Amino acid sequence: GAGVSQSPSNKVTEKGKDVELRCDPISGHTALYWYRQSLGQGLEFLIYFQGNSAPDKSGLPSDRFSAERTGGSVSTLTIQRTQQEDSAVYLCASSFYSSNQPQHFGDGTRLSIL
Amino acid sequence: GDSVTQMEGPVTLSEEAFLTINCTYTATGYPSLFWYVQYPGEGLQLLLKATKADDKGSNKGFEATYRKETTSFHLEKGSVQVSDSAVYFCAFLTQGGSEKLVFGKGTKLTVNP
Repeated sequence: GAGVSQSPSNKVTEKGKDVELRCDPISGHTALYWYRQSLGQGLEFLIYFQGNSAPDKSGLPSDRFSAERTGGSVSTLTIQRTQQEDSAVYLCASSFYSSNQPQHFGDGTRLSIL
Repeated sequence: GDSVTQMEGPVTLSEEAFLTINCTYTATGYPSLFWYVQYPGEGLQLLLKATKADDKGSNKGFEATYRKETTSFHLEKGSVQVSDSAVYFCAFLTQGGSEKLVFGKGTKLTVNP
């Protein structure tokens, strides 16, 4: 597609359940990023992929969070044993890997933990 | 550490008023600077960018100039429209390694007719 695609757009789940969020980047973009947008914390970096490798996972808030990327394309962010503080909008972005290239964002997945 | 400080909102203006949203950053080196905009119900969109000192980014009547001396990247528009109502985020790209974006907390702009 023309832009970054994320699914689902909304997810409501019960505390303690696992969730998977999907990101389909712009074709040809080798760099992929996950960010989280929440009221209290603003926009926070979670993890970065270059191809299928994740050289920077420094933003993942706990070991309940993990992510993978396959085929240098689609990425999945998994949150295990969800907690209420995980409620946020999870944003995916992609770019060409080159200095100064802008990142293009998807519309996000709004995650609500009951 | 790396951070962005931008003018706290909300900002409310009348149509055709002049807009300034201040942004300063703390970073290593001279990173690329960006303004992103989030319209109601929509995702983040790149508004403009500047990649080196004294560069001016511009788009849709908005402008921002990369000021190395003051580590600032203030957003301006001479005459705002109702359709400019949105949340504006200042950001920079960290250098070396992951080149992730560091964002300010956002400034909500409301333009009244």
